[in-house]
Amino acid sequence: KNQVEQSPQSLIILEGKNCTLQCNYTVSPFSNLRWYKQDTGRGPVSLTIMTFSENTKSNGRYTATLDADTKQSSLHITASQLSDSASYICVVRPRGSTLGRLYFGRGTQLTVWP
Amino acid sequence: NAGVTQTPKFQVLKTGQSMTLQCAQDMNHEYMSWYRQDPGMGLRLIHYSVGAGITDQGEVPNGYNVSRSTTEDFPLRLLSAAPSQTSVYFCASGGRAGDTQYFGPGTRLTVL
Repeated sequence: KNQVEQSPQSLIILEGKNCTLQCNYTVSPFSNLRWYKQDTGRGPVSLTIMTFSENTKSNGRYTATLDADTKQSSLHITASQLSDSASYICVVRPRGSTLGRLYFGRGTQLTVWP
Repeated sequence: NAGVTQTPKFQVLKTGQSMTLQCAQDMNHEYMSWYRQDPGMGLRLIHYSVGAGITDQGEVPNGYNVSRSTTEDFPLRLLSAAPSQTSVYFCASGGRAGDTQYFGPGTRLTVL
C-alpha cells in the first residue's frame, strides 16, 4: 500500500536553532517528492522538489535530502525563525500511475519559540 | 495574477443542505484538484481534473460532485451535507499532477 509517513508529528524549537523533519514513503515506483509549508489558515506552498536522481536540494535556509534506496527524505531547517512556525507536508508522486494521484503525509507541526 | 481563488471563505450549513464551493485559477493550468483537511488527517484528495471535460475520483469522493466545463473553473458540489463533511477544503492547480501545486486559501465548512 502506498503511504507517506512523517515524523515527528510535532516539534518545538527555540529561535535560531536547527531542526530536521523526516519523511518515509512506500510509494513505488517513485517520480518525485515535494515538501510544502502550510502556515496556519493558509494553503500549502511548495518549498522544494526532489526527483529520483537528486540527493540534496536547497532553498534558502531549507535543505531537502532524498535517499531513494531507503525511501527516506528529510527537510533540514537552519537558523530557525519565528516565521518558520508552520506545518511541513511531504508529498510523493508515483511514476506511471493515475495522473492525478499524489500521496500526502500528515505533516509535522513546527513551532519556533523566541 | 490572482492565482487560485476560492469562495466562500467560511460557510455554515445544516444537515441535508446542498451547496457549491467555487474554485478558479488564472494560470491556465490543466490540472486542478480538491482536498479536504481534517485535524490529524492531513490532506485527502476528493476529486481531480486533468483538463476541461475530464474529472476523476480521488481518495474520498463520496458525497461530492465535480465538473470541469472550462480550464479556469472547478466547482465542488456537496449534494446533501452531513456533519462528517465539516472540514477545511482546499482547491489546487498545477500544470500537471507532478508539477508544483498552487493552493487556494481554503474554505472552512461547518455542517450542523
